[in-house]
Amino acid sequence: GDSVTQMEGPVTLSEEAFLTINCTYTATGYPSLFWYVQYPGEGLQLLLKATKADDKGSNKGFEATYRKETTSFHLEKGSVQVSDSAVYFCALSLYGNKLVFGAGTILRVKS
Amino acid sequence: DADVTQTPRNRITKTGKRIMLECSQTKGHDRMYWYRQDPGLGLRLIYYSFDVKDINKGEISDGYSVSRQAQAKFSLSLESAIPNQTALYFCATSDSLSNGRGLDTQYFGPGTRLTVL
Repeated sequence: GDSVTQMEGPVTLSEEAFLTINCTYTATGYPSLFWYVQYPGEGLQLLLKATKADDKGSNKGFEATYRKETTSFHLEKGSVQVSDSAVYFCALSLYGNKLVFGAGTILRVKS
Repeated sequence: DADVTQTPRNRITKTGKRIMLECSQTKGHDRMYWYRQDPGLGLRLIYYSFDVKDINKGEISDGYSVSRQAQAKFSLSLESAIPNQTALYFCATSDSLSNGRGLDTQYFGPGTRLTVL
């Protein structure tokens, strides 16, 4: 079946460090790919998305590129802030907008 | 005011009790979803509804039922709660007209933390 695998956390970084959270997927078709973020005590909100191979999604300094050849959608940010501390979910959608989520990666940024 | 609201925000109940979680939205969206979140498992889809007369089972519907009372309201019921239904439950909405091809963004409520003793 369709699935998403994310790197396990927690990931702990110092402020201004470079961030990479790995995400790979398995899908029977050509999915759209998403990163959602969950801040403490809140629901999920869309961070960025990409709908076809080689598309790059970006928002708030975060970027991810849809790599069909490696079935990956890794999240990156050049300089993290304490306010980026949250849980990050990679997800895919094939048909009917049903999202399939990865397990989530906790990011902790220290000042 | 929040666009997607969930009530209650926290609930503690006992095994065998019937529980209803409610979701309301003011976004005017036609599609609504219920997910549960468990540590290490991400979010899993319980039920979804693409309009008032359309209800579909998700990945883990056993032990749950739903009701779409109006376009803006989507309730999740646990007919006889059991401890392994202890989780964080999220409602989400999306607008099928916003993008097409199933690419519409989902908007999540703040969640309901349910504990079944």
